Amino acid sequence: DSGVTQTPKHLITATGQRVTLRCSPRSGDLSVYWYQQSLDQGLQFLIQYYNGEERAKGNILERFSAQQFPDLHSELNLSSLELGDSALYFCASTRFWQNTEAFFGQGTRLTVV
Amino acid sequence: QQQVKQSPQSLIVQKGGISIINCAYENTAFDYFPWYQQFPGKGPALLIAIRPDVSEKKEGRFTISFNKSAKQFSLHIMDSQPGDSATYFCAAYNNAGNMLTFGGGTRLMVKP
Repeated sequence: DSGVTQTPKHLITATGQRVTLRCSPRSGDLSVYWYQQSLDQGLQFLIQYYNGEERAKGNILERFSAQQFPDLHSELNLSSLELGDSALYFCASTRFWQNTEAFFGQGTRLTVV
Repeated sequence: QQQVKQSPQSLIVQKGGISIINCAYENTAFDYFPWYQQFPGKGPALLIAIRPDVSEKKEGRFTISFNKSAKQFSLHIMDSQPGDSATYFCAAYNNAGNMLTFGGGTRLMVKP
């Protein structure tokens, strides 16, 4: 158990809908990272938050957004969902802002039908 | 320049054999190279990592070999066991951009 908690584990929704994925980092970790894992794209970095502020941005679509709350949990919001958004979404956390020795959650499997 | 190329995509090894997974990169700004292990239904877990100032790092049956001039690094799993069957990802970290770039992954199967 990495100590990073993601909910829900599975999510099935229709195209055009909006969903929210939740992540609780390891106790004491200040940084949260979101990754998308699909069969053809591998693990793609989406966005990082450090102590409530956006720190780095990767290949995140404009339809996607994230935030980190004062208790350090984070939410990834995906809107106007398309079939191609179906993937595993992972959250990872690190103690400080540097993305080394990241601990990953078990992921949320999103299926868009 | 942010790409990390990993090979092979899949690998079958007999129990007790040596599993070798290779990665190559272009960006010389990368300064930390971790390997992650992922079992089905689980998130990636940090396995072993190396910095470019050393050429080899060993932890148990797992060894990273690093060739800075060739911009290549590899993971060797000695005495491979069926429990090692998983997907392995190499990655490279760029401190300037705080970006961790992953290779495409290698699905390892160790046959009993």
